Amino acid sequence: KQEVTQIPAALSVPEGENLVLNCSFTDSAIYNLQWFRQDPGKGLTSLLLIQSSQREQTSGRLNASLDKSSGRSTLYIAASQPGDSATYLCAVKNTGFQKLVFGTGTRLLVSP
Amino acid sequence: DTAVSQTPKYLVTQMGNDKSIKCEQNLGHDTMYWYKQDSKKFLKIMFSYNNKELIINETVPNRFSPKSPDKAHLNLHINSLELGDSAVYFCASSRVGAMNTEAFFGQGTRLTVV
Repeated sequence: KQEVTQIPAALSVPEGENLVLNCSFTDSAIYNLQWFRQDPGKGLTSLLLIQSSQREQTSGRLNASLDKSSGRSTLYIAASQPGDSATYLCAVKNTGFQKLVFGTGTRLLVSP
Repeated sequence: DTAVSQTPKYLVTQMGNDKSIKCEQNLGHDTMYWYKQDSKKFLKIMFSYNNKELIINETVPNRFSPKSPDKAHLNLHINSLELGDSAVYFCASSRVGAMNTEAFFGQGTRLTVV
């Protein structure tokens, strides 16, 4: 059974800092991994999708990496801004299963 | 244009009532999902439909019945609502197979059972 864990559970940084959010999963037979952000009381916004054959994906100030063999993914946020404050979720899709298994989330607060 | 839309956004109802949540996607995806986010913000799959056929039914009480009239719609009907059903329900869609795409989520329906 796939289990996804995110560390840290909460993170508070001053504006401008670079930061890394971590995601680990127990079953390396994944099809893809997706990072989302969720603002309070809102839905999920997809940030990046990494296929199992890829090592990383970049979108603007965001960079996500994937190491299937060690069961880890990281989301790197460069030059953080207060608007980045949200909960970040990673989710994995296992090969042969049409569902996402979500992590526990990291609540990020970027202060001005 | 909203990619995945669900209605209503908020739903407050009494125990024992029956209610429905509607979901529509305009992305041309072939697979739709219902996820439940509990009070601790943990998201978990409930159902998945591919081309109108049920492919995933995770240990969900049979009071919950999904219905997919066509590939673009997946509705969730809940009978005899209980206090423990209070949560945020998210609809999502994706395309599976060789062209596996990212999943897109609706804005959620906050269900409160009183």
